[in-house]
Amino acid sequence: KQEVTQIPAALSVPEGENLVLNCSFTDSAIYNLQWFRQDPGKGLTSLLLIQSSQREQTSGRLNASLDKSSGRSTLYIAASQPGDSATYLCAVNSGRGSTLGRLYFGRGTQLTVWP
Amino acid sequence: DGGITQSPKYLFRKEGQNVTLSCEQNLNHDAMYWYRQDPGQGLRLIYYSQIVNDFQKGDIAEGYSVSREKKESFPLTVTSAQKNPTAFYLCASSTGRRNGNTIYFGEGSWLTVV
Repeated sequence: KQEVTQIPAALSVPEGENLVLNCSFTDSAIYNLQWFRQDPGKGLTSLLLIQSSQREQTSGRLNASLDKSSGRSTLYIAASQPGDSATYLCAVNSGRGSTLGRLYFGRGTQLTVWP
Repeated sequence: DGGITQSPKYLFRKEGQNVTLSCEQNLNHDAMYWYRQDPGQGLRLIYYSQIVNDFQKGDIAEGYSVSREKKESFPLTVTSAQKNPTAFYLCASSTGRRNGNTIYFGEGSWLTVV
């Protein structure tokens, strides 16, 4: 069964710092990997989706990379702002014997950016 | 606006009662999902449906039931057989296609047993 781990579990940084959030997964047979943001008591918002054939995706200050062979992904946040404070979740769409569209989630990294 | 609507936002259930959480989407997505989220835990899949009139159990289906009579709707019933139902429930949908299968989430429903 696919297992997804996110490190660190929590991160607190001053405004302006560049950040790296880590995600690892046990089964490299994936269709894609997604990064989500979740604000307290809210649903999830998709940030970036990386197909298994891609190495990275960028959106504004966010850059996500994927190394499928080693089972790792990183989310890079440039010039962090207090509005970036949220929980960031990594999810893999597993491709080995699973039904299309079934995601496996990590527990998330809780990010706090203070002014 | 296109999106996923979950209702109610907050729901209280007495012991022994069944309750139903509503999920409606106007994104014309084929696939719909229900996840459960507990504090400090990742999301766990309860049920999913890739097409109307068909659905599959996820990892924690015991004590839950669903129906998919319409493409837009995927209600979740939490039955009295679910022994620990207090949690945050999230509904989601996607195109169901292998490539570009971005998944979209509703705002969630909080269920508390009283």
